Amino acid sequence: DTAVSQTPKYLVTQMGNDKSIKCEQNLGHDTMYWYKQDSKKFLKIMFSYNNKELIINETVPNRFSPKSPDKAHLNLHINSLELGDSAVYFCASSDTGAVAFFGQGTRLTVV
Amino acid sequence: SQQGEEDPQALSIQEGENATMNCSYKTSINNLQWYRQNSGRGLVHLILIRSNEREKHSGRLRVTLDTSKKSSSLLITASRAADTASYFCATEPLDTDKLIFGTGTRLQVFP
Repeated sequence: DTAVSQTPKYLVTQMGNDKSIKCEQNLGHDTMYWYKQDSKKFLKIMFSYNNKELIINETVPNRFSPKSPDKAHLNLHINSLELGDSAVYFCASSDTGAVAFFGQGTRLTVV
Repeated sequence: SQQGEEDPQALSIQEGENATMNCSYKTSINNLQWYRQNSGRGLVHLILIRSNEREKHSGRLRVTLDTSKKSSSLLITASRAADTASYFCATEPLDTDKLIFGTGTRLQVFP
């Protein structure tokens, strides 16, 4: 069984559109994250949720809005997509102070 | 800014040789972790070392941590072509629940 699954795996969309990426974990972890990996492979944390509550928001434009309906899910909604949003987005989960488990990533291409 | 920086950025070796990657970070930490990323895939946890530990082994992996220098190294012994991947260090700064990733080292092991 996949521990952290995110969909879709690939997403190609036009500038200005709104899109969502979904993430689910079946590990029972309290903490979930969204990371962005750019073309240079730098991996930057965007958000962290603990038990459905936002605990970290790392200077991300407010076009990005995470939503956690329950502690097993953390979805990422992006409004008014821009070319610079093209990247691979990774969802991850962990128990505090422990190992993070990553999803396979969503490659977003904005054209 | 990135918490961690790794060097070298890229490393090419022959099978059977050892590979050493270094990571430096900026603030005090709870723990430091190393992750591996195969091309086009998510990150996979390799090893975690706590701030009160100095060395840790796991199979062909050896990790050291020097908190006075704020640095860590990952040694992969007797490398194999299958070790080809990017390797990232990640730190959990004190009093936070987030993992901050370094810039990564791209390792290429030639058969």
